[in-house]
Amino acid sequence: QSVLTQPPSVSAASGQKVTISCSGSSSNMGSNFVSWYQQLPGTAPKLLIHYNTQRPSGIPDRFSGSKSGTSATLGITGLQTGDEAVYYCGTWDSSLSAVQFGGGTKLAVL
Amino acid sequence: EVQLLESGGDLVQPGGSLRLSCGTSGFNFSNYAMSWVRQAPGKGLEWVSGCSSTGDMRVYAESVKGRFIISRDNSKGTLYLQMKNLRSEDTAVYSCAKGLHSVSFNELDSWGQGTLVAVSS
Repeated sequence: QSVLTQPPSVSAASGQKVTISCSGSSSNMGSNFVSWYQQLPGTAPKLLIHYNTQRPSGIPDRFSGSKSGTSATLGITGLQTGDEAVYYCGTWDSSLSAVQFGGGTKLAVL
Repeated sequence: EVQLLESGGDLVQPGGSLRLSCGTSGFNFSNYAMSWVRQAPGKGLEWVSGCSSTGDMRVYAESVKGRFIISRDNSKGTLYLQMKNLRSEDTAVYSCAKGLHSVSFNELDSWGQGTLVAVSS
């Protein structure tokens, strides 16, 4: 099992908004930055969000990140079929001295 | 353009050893931390190990501690992962990934396509 907990799947209609949650503990998300990754089918993961809320250049502002306490949320607005992917949260765990990823959330755009 | 290309994956028997390499181009390799991340077939991401830009800081997942060693050659722009005492649960595609800065293991902004390691008798 992953140290970080994500819902296995979420779905929403095209053009709508969806949020994906990631829950951890004080030793990981509670005291370290959170990143989010998108993995399209058959491709390498892509960094969407880092330092909880920051988007790398080239990532559209439809993607947003937030963090509160030991939980983080990825938001995606204006959903497109091209957003169908698995999304992972990740953070450093100070107790384990290692990066932890969530189990991944598969997004379906209806 | 940042490019990462892994090599060295193979079919190996349990208890065997393997060395993976990650060749890079398009950025100043010696300025950035690097990590290895693996993905078992049909499963999620698992971070394996990270190495700071100078190689002074090396960190490992508990599942590979004592069996895997990460290293880098900044003169060649290459990252390595020496794996020994391999187990069936180590079967996965192993990818290298570039960190955002010199000691960044969680913010991985470029990834390779990976090399397959299969552990089976």
